[in-house]
Amino acid sequence: DAGVTQSPTHLIKTRGQQVTLRCSPKSGHDTVSWYQQALGQGPQFIFQYYEEEERQRGNFPDRFSGHQFPNYSSELNVNALLLGDSALYLCASSSLGGVTYEQYFGPGTRLTVT
Amino acid sequence: QQQVKQSPQSLIVQKGGISIINCAYENTAFDYFPWYQQFPGKGPALLIAIRPDVSEKKEGRFTISFNKSAKQFSLHIMDSQPGDSATYFCAATTQSGYSTLTFGKGTMLLVSP
Repeated sequence: DAGVTQSPTHLIKTRGQQVTLRCSPKSGHDTVSWYQQALGQGPQFIFQYYEEEERQRGNFPDRFSGHQFPNYSSELNVNALLLGDSALYLCASSSLGGVTYEQYFGPGTRLTVT
Repeated sequence: QQQVKQSPQSLIVQKGGISIINCAYENTAFDYFPWYQQFPGKGPALLIAIRPDVSEKKEGRFTISFNKSAKQFSLHIMDSQPGDSATYFCAATTQSGYSTLTFGKGTMLLVSP
């Protein structure tokens, strides 16, 4: 049973560029949440997707957007990258039909903005 | 406003000792409190979780103690091993609706051989 997978593993971008990160949820899960983890900090909630719609959003600017596909996989897009966007981006999956509070994380994508 | 406060920031324990990490929360709507373990370069892994209807939950060497009136909970790692060296995060959320996790800032645990 595959867990949560994310791609790519690492990414280096330049300020002002745009980036897309991808996530496939754990088998049987239909809800995907994205978190940003700055170095030395706990993960911060960005947004959550269910049924291809954004259901919840944390305190992140509109430069952060997402999408969920019919197969429950998801993308996180960040426009106009800033140096402060450098972080580990984590995807977590859960099952709205079951227990959404029990979230399982992928390995993350390490984004470096130069 | 930091809704979940975690301490200490770092902790060094000898092999075989007890590691204790504490967390406090502010939002009384929280009713599910998981702990995550994160190794360098990896995502957080769900370790153990508790609901406020019980005061303690034990899974192997890991125990959560919960004090609802004080809005505090703690993780105890008994017989700590070098393989337990990792960063531990407490979190809090609600069981209803679209649950999102609010994390503490983490505790870096080093278990010396």
